[in-house]
Amino acid sequence: KQEVTQIPAALSVPEGENLVLNCSFTDSAIYNLQWFRQDPGKGLTSLLLIQSSQREQTSGRLNASLDKSSGRSTLYIAASQPGDSATYLCAVKGAGANSKLTFGKGITLSVRP
Amino acid sequence: DTAVSQTPKYLVTQMGNDKSIKCEQNLGHDTMYWYKQDSKKFLKIMFSYNNKELIINETVPNRFSPKSPDKAHLNLHINSLELGDSAVYFCASSQPTVSGEQFFGPGTRLTVL
Repeated sequence: KQEVTQIPAALSVPEGENLVLNCSFTDSAIYNLQWFRQDPGKGLTSLLLIQSSQREQTSGRLNASLDKSSGRSTLYIAASQPGDSATYLCAVKGAGANSKLTFGKGITLSVRP
Repeated sequence: DTAVSQTPKYLVTQMGNDKSIKCEQNLGHDTMYWYKQDSKKFLKIMFSYNNKELIINETVPNRFSPKSPDKAHLNLHINSLELGDSAVYFCASSQPTVSGEQFFGPGTRLTVL
């Protein structure tokens, strides 16, 4: 059974800091890994998707890496801004034709002005 | 031009009632999902439909019945509502490829009194 862990549960940083959010998963047989952002009371916004054959993906100030063999992914946020404050969720899609997404519990990020 | 939409956004009802939540996507995706996010913000899949066919049915009470009239719609009907059903319910869609990125709706906050 796949388990996804995100530690710490909450993080507070000053504006401008570069930061790394961690995600680990127990079963390395995955098809892809997706990072989402959730603002309070809102839905999930897809940030980056990394296929199992890829090592990283970049979008603007965001860079996500994947080390499938060790069951780890990181989301790097450069030059953080108060607008980056949100909960960041990691989800892995298992192997198999009808596989599901398994989510971590998320990291709530607060960027202080 | 919303990609995945849900109605209603908020739903407050009494225990024992029957209610429905509607979901529509205009992305042309073949696969749709229902997720439940509990009070601890943990997101877990409930159902997945591919082109109107049930693909994933997690251990969900049979009081919950998804209905897909066409591949752009996946509605969730809940009978005999219980206090523990209070949560935020998210609809999502994707292409049925193994690498399909999932797109989420804004969520429906259900409160059972």
